[in-house]
Amino acid sequence: NAGVTQTPKFQVLKTGQSMTLQCAQDMNHEYMSWYRQDPGMGLRLIHYSVGAGITDQGEVPNGYNVSRSTTEDFPLRLLSAAPSQTSVYFCASSNDRGNNNEQFFGPGTRLTVL
Amino acid sequence: GENVEQHPSTLSVQEGDSAVIKCTYSDSASNYFPWYKQELGKGPQLIIDIRSNVGEKKDQRIAVTLNKTAKHFSLHITETQPEDSAVYFCAANSYSGAGSYQLTFGKGTKLSVIP
Repeated sequence: NAGVTQTPKFQVLKTGQSMTLQCAQDMNHEYMSWYRQDPGMGLRLIHYSVGAGITDQGEVPNGYNVSRSTTEDFPLRLLSAAPSQTSVYFCASSNDRGNNNEQFFGPGTRLTVL
Repeated sequence: GENVEQHPSTLSVQEGDSAVIKCTYSDSASNYFPWYKQELGKGPQLIIDIRSNVGEKKDQRIAVTLNKTAKHFSLHITETQPEDSAVYFCAANSYSGAGSYQLTFGKGTKLSVIP
């Protein structure tokens, strides 16, 4: 049982480039989410999903897209990277569709946009 | 939306002493309050949570108290050990529609336990 996995661990992009951060979980969790973590800002919700085919916006969705075609995978797409998107990104999942239970976090992806 | 304030931002204690971290929230409908611990280079991990139908919960050296009237909750760590050194986040839920909730996190407290 690998839990929540994220790839890549590190990434450097140039302004304007696009990329996809991968997230997968093998716990059959319905709820999945993406957060970004910036120094002194805590964790801020970008997008979340309560099941395959269902996604919604969080607190800071601008510049990011998501899709949920399977229960296991929840990729995060940066359409045109900007320096303001330099951050550490965490994917999380929960066995509670309502998300009132423990969230399991991945190890994170550290993204730098030059 | 929900707003969660967390204090202090940094905390240093001597090994064996107690540590207390406090959070306030704004949404009176919030009913789930988890605490996460994040070690360097890792993702956050749940250490304890409390729901609005109880005022206190304890798990070995860790306890959480909740005051719904005042809209604040606190994490208490007793007999601190060097391995307790980490960043701690509080969070509160808020309804986001269609039967699901979002978590809003505090900005974190960096706890250092001095041997």
